[in-house]
Amino acid sequence: SQTIHQWPATLVQPVGSPLSLECTVEGTSNPNLYWYRQAAGRGLQLLFYSVGIGQISSEVPQNLSASRPQDRQFILSSKKLLLSDSGFYLCAWTGASTEAFFGQGTRLTVV
Amino acid sequence: AQSVTQLGSHVSVSEGALVLLRCNYSSSVPPYLFWYVQYPNQGLQLLLKYTSAATLVKGINGFEAEFKKSETSFHLTKPSAHMSDAAEYFCAESTGNTGKLIFGQGTTLQVKP
Repeated sequence: SQTIHQWPATLVQPVGSPLSLECTVEGTSNPNLYWYRQAAGRGLQLLFYSVGIGQISSEVPQNLSASRPQDRQFILSSKKLLLSDSGFYLCAWTGASTEAFFGQGTRLTVV
Repeated sequence: AQSVTQLGSHVSVSEGALVLLRCNYSSSVPPYLFWYVQYPNQGLQLLLKYTSAATLVKGINGFEAEFKKSETSFHLTKPSAHMSDAAEYFCAESTGNTGKLIFGQGTTLQVKP
């Protein structure tokens, strides 16, 4: 069966520090991968998606970047965090079926 | 641009009462529609999905939703609320083959004893 792993679960980082969140999917090949952000009291906003290794599409201009170094690995990064980067980050994947499967999320607090 | 609107950011019902969470989509082409549930500090779990088959879709935990093209709606219902249904619910649509989801703002369901 397919599983998605996302870590860390929580993270507190100072303003100006770098960020690296990692997501891996098991049990499937060539998934579409996504990073969403959920700000407090708001819905989910798509940040990046990838349909293949090295293929990254950005949905909104921001302080973040994404990379897909391997087929089932998706990384969200920042060189210098801003206060506004705080939020709940969710990784997701889709395959042959239409629904997205989500990781457990990372709660990022920038202080 | 595509958008999903969930009417009511907070809904409160008594245990055993009908649950109705409203969702309207904007896509002019047949969309894929989804309802997800989120418990505090967790990821999203799929409740049900509409993919142009039957218009009445049954999901997990006794939830169901009806696709009404004339009303561009996909409301979520459950005949009898349970305390464990208290959570945040998101409606989402997807068009095209990238799998990108457009989410509504979410509805927090409170279930009172």
